[in-house]
Amino acid sequence: EVQLVESGGGLVQPGGSLRLSCVASGFTISSNYMSWVRQAPGKGLEWVSLIYSGGNTYYADSVKGRFTISRDNSKNTLFLQMNSLRPEDTAVYHCAREGDHRQAFDIWGQGTMVTVSS
Amino acid sequence: QSVLTQPPSVSGAPGQRVTISCTGSRSNIGAGYDVQWYQQFPGTAPKLLIYGNNNRPSGVPDRFSGSKSGTSASLAITGLQADDEADYYCQSYDSSLSRVFGGGTKLTVL
Repeated sequence: EVQLVESGGGLVQPGGSLRLSCVASGFTISSNYMSWVRQAPGKGLEWVSLIYSGGNTYYADSVKGRFTISRDNSKNTLFLQMNSLRPEDTAVYHCAREGDHRQAFDIWGQGTMVTVSS
Repeated sequence: QSVLTQPPSVSGAPGQRVTISCTGSRSNIGAGYDVQWYQQFPGTAPKLLIYGNNNRPSGVPDRFSGSKSGTSASLAITGLQADDEADYYCQSYDSSLSRVFGGGTKLTVL
């Protein structure tokens, strides 16, 4: 079965760090474009970061310089390292795959909740 | 403020047809980039509904259709059903911002 499972969310103080993981099964993440998309409570979807199959990485302006996307091909796992966290980073973070049609997110994980609060 | 603009809510009675608009600009939809649509129920992950402006993934009923013209796109749902009640998001690519989403539209089935 093709699926994505996120973990690593939790409660963190402003200025703190957190590392999210997304384990893929049924396909190879290094052969696909993989993104992180977040959704603040009661709000819409916001694209956060993307890693190409070739390894190039891209970030939304709101997280640039603070978040780092990476992957471990041997573990078929995607990561999001989040530093200097702010209250406005509070959201459910989903990993998502762009499949055969680029820029269309065809597989989504269930998400992991990140709460930034003192 | 989302890059793509959607109406906050739409509603319709069972069996009716509803449309949800998605307005962009010359740096995204108007530049020729494809539009996708997602359906999301509360507490669940979004589901791809339409890709490449008007294509349905396997398993999506043909009651759902997409179109695009100029700097805008639309999602149409015909034969409205109670379980269509959900949030709907459009998404595209922006030449300055990469992947972008609309603010979402809540569909209420009356």
